Amino acid sequence: KAGVTQTPRYLIKTRGQQVTLSCSPISGHRSVSWYQQTPGQGLQFLFEYFSETQRNKGNFPGRFSGRQFSNSRSEMNVSTLELGDSALYLCASSLTQGTYGYTFGSGTRLTVV
Amino acid sequence: GESVGLHLPTLSVQEGDNSIINCAYSNSASDYFIWYKQESGKGPQFIIDIRSNMDKRQGQRVTVLLNKTVKHLSLQIAATQPGDSAVYFCAETSNGSGNTGKLIFGQGTTLQVKP
Repeated sequence: KAGVTQTPRYLIKTRGQQVTLSCSPISGHRSVSWYQQTPGQGLQFLFEYFSETQRNKGNFPGRFSGRQFSNSRSEMNVSTLELGDSALYLCASSLTQGTYGYTFGSGTRLTVV
Repeated sequence: GESVGLHLPTLSVQEGDNSIINCAYSNSASDYFIWYKQESGKGPQFIIDIRSNMDKRQGQRVTVLLNKTVKHLSLQIAATQPGDSAVYFCAETSNGSGNTGKLIFGQGTTLQVKP
């Protein structure tokens, strides 16, 4: 079966712009979580969505937001981009809320210039 | 505060040898731990997990050991192969129940396998 699909794979944006990233979970999975990966900070939790509701949020500024649709697909948005937002953004899906059976996508590489 | 760390940034082993990757965690309330493998250009891939009511769990060529007394986790890979070359992360759940999508990751150890 298809894995977690993230689009686009690569993105280049300019400081001050906003960006939307998309994540399609494995079919049947209802929980989606997002992570930011940078060389300096490693993998950091952004937020978790289950049944279209944000269930958990990490320590990121309000410029980072997300949502989940009725088909479990999720998007995350970053407004007023900063150079430090350059990172690999990963989403992971699981059947239900929680970390059991987590499957990660290959990520979206965002570069802010 | 919560943190999960790995002792060594890079581990180099000979093909066929056993590898041991270590991880220290600080949250004594954590009760679920996972090891992930990340290859270049890919997302983390689940290797093996363990709950805090266990101290050892084995998979195919991999074993995870948990020492709650010293808050230490290790991943043992038997007969290491070139395909095992990757970055390995340990992770823990933050609220101890597993009923959350929030994982706290260590910084990662790069495993290099020499042919």
